[in-house]
Amino acid sequence: DVKVTQSSRYLVKRTGEKVFLECVQDMDHENMFWYRQDPGLGLRLIYFSYDVKMKEKGDIPEGYSVSREKKERFSLILESASTNQTSMYLCASSSGRPQETQYFGPGTRLLVL
Amino acid sequence: ELKVEQNPLFLSMQEGKNYTIYCNYSTTSDRLYWYRQDPGKSLESLFVLLSNGAVKQEGRLMASLDTKARLSTLHITAAVHDLSATYFCAVAKTHSGAGSYQLTFGKGTKLSVIP
Repeated sequence: DVKVTQSSRYLVKRTGEKVFLECVQDMDHENMFWYRQDPGLGLRLIYFSYDVKMKEKGDIPEGYSVSREKKERFSLILESASTNQTSMYLCASSSGRPQETQYFGPGTRLLVL
Repeated sequence: ELKVEQNPLFLSMQEGKNYTIYCNYSTTSDRLYWYRQDPGKSLESLFVLLSNGAVKQEGRLMASLDTKARLSTLHITAAVHDLSATYFCAVAKTHSGAGSYQLTFGKGTKLSVIP
């Protein structure tokens, strides 16, 4: 079974803090993704990576950066957290083969005060 | 820009009834995915639809894809309470040169099945 884990289920941070969200997958997947989920807006893609050290902007990259130093690990960084970044953050991974879905982690609920 | 529209966004139905959720998308794609999300949980894959005319069924759920109409449907037969969840469709956009794809999600359909 594919396993995607995220470092925290719940996180509370203050405005201006630097925040790191970690995601690890155990299926040797090339592709990894970060989404945020907000009520009424569905899931929106922040960044994705199709190889180690490679990254591509998604639909809403502003205020975020990412790091992928190892194949199994993909980090999302909020350089200076703001209250409008309060959200549920979901990590996903996939092999990239069309017949395979993206597998999602349990999510991190981030509250920025 | 790819846009994905689901309707309805909210659906309350009685047990035993049938209903269909619709997913329309704005640009050409031949791959569509359906996910289920229970409250407080992450997304679970339901179906992968890879070509025009594809139909997949699992239990009381059946999904189909019409790429010419840019439409997918998720049909619920004889609903039961356990199907209460939020259902998302997601349309694939191939990332050129990388052999990977990214997904654009609809806003989700929150389904409540009432006994």
